[in-house]
This record gives sequence, structure tokens and C-alpha cells, in this order.
Amino acid sequence: EDQVTQSPEALRLQEGESSSLNCSYTVSGLRGLFWYRQDPGKGPEFLFTLYSAGEEKEKERLKATLTKKESFLHITAPKPEDSATYLCAVRGFQGAQKLVFGQGTRLTINP
Amino acid sequence: GAGVSQTPSNKVTEKGKYVELRCDPISGHTALYWYRQSLGQGPEFLIYFQGTGAADDSGLPNDRFFAVRPEGSVSTLKIQRTERGDSAVYLCASSQAAGSYNEQFFGPGTRLTVL
Repeated sequence: EDQVTQSPEALRLQEGESSSLNCSYTVSGLRGLFWYRQDPGKGPEFLFTLYSAGEEKEKERLKATLTKKESFLHITAPKPEDSATYLCAVRGFQGAQKLVFGQGTRLTINP
Repeated sequence: GAGVSQTPSNKVTEKGKYVELRCDPISGHTALYWYRQSLGQGPEFLIYFQGTGAADDSGLPNDRFFAVRPEGSVSTLKIQRTERGDSAVYLCASSQAAGSYNEQFFGPGTRLTVL
């Protein structure tokens, strides 16, 4: 069974303080690892897809990286508007089209 | 439309009642997904449609839950004899097609509260 575990559950940073969020996964053949951002009361917003170990993608202050066992979402010099819950999900060969999500990391950036 | 839309945004019902939740996918997207999200958790898969047919309904918790997509566009999730444990946010997502290289885009969700 495909599984995703995210850590930490919650993270508080000062504005400008860089850090990383972790997503550990087990999957029956990875067909994609996905990062989403979710604001309170809204649906998840797509950020990145990674397909193979060693791949990296960047968007503004965010960079996602992938190894065979985990993915990191690095946030550089964050701003208060980066505060949100960040969700990681995998799609595996056995699960066909469905995404299996972690529980998310709740990120708060204090001004 | 510009994005996935879901109606209603909030639904409050009483235990034992029947509810319908509607999803309008992004125009041209052939694949549609339903997920359920409980407080503090990530979304959990319920069902996936490719066109009009349910290609994978393995996530539906029991036979009180049913979903349709009769014309391959709008989908309705139907819950019979609602229970308090059904309270959650129900999310709909769509993608251009099924397949590894198609990201799923989510709607804002319907918050269901069963009293």
C-alpha cells in the first residue's frame, strides 16, 4: 500500500528564515510525486510534479527535490504570504490514477 | 470555466438525510476525481471517472456513497442515510486526461456537516 508521511506537522518561522519540509514515501513504482499548497477554507493548489530521483523544480521562493525515498520542499527567505498547509502526494503504479496524500505541514511565517 | 467549481460550498444536514454534491470540472478535462478531507488530514481518494464511466471506485467507504457523471462533464456525489462520521470537506479535481503526466486541479470543496 502506498504511504506518505510529512514532517514536521507544523512549523513556525520568522520572515526571511529559510527551512525545508520533508515528505517520506513508500510506493509501488513511482509515477509522480506532487506538492500542493492549501490555504484555510480552500482546495489544494498545484505547485510541482517530480517524476524521478534527482529531479528539482523551482517556483519563486520554493524548490522541490526528489530522492528514491523522500522529497523536500525548500523555502528560501519566506514571506508571511507563504503561510499555508503544504501537502505532498504520490501516484504509484498499483494505485492507478489516485493520489495518496500525506497529512500536510502547516507553515506559519511571522513578520 | 476558469477552474473547478463545486456547489454548494457548505451543506448542513441531519443524520439519515440524503445529500447531493456537485462538481463542474475545468472545460475539456476528461478525468474527474472525488476526494474527502477530514480536519487536519490530507485528502483521501474516493472515486475516479474517465469520461462517463467510473474507472476506479475503490475509495468509496460503503454503499451509501455513489457518484455519477452522465455526460462526461458535471459529476454528482450522492450520499444516502448520512451519518455524523460523513462530516468532512468533499473535494473534486479534474485533469486533462488520465495518465502519469496530467496534474489534478482541485476545486474549493463542499463542507458537509451532518448533525
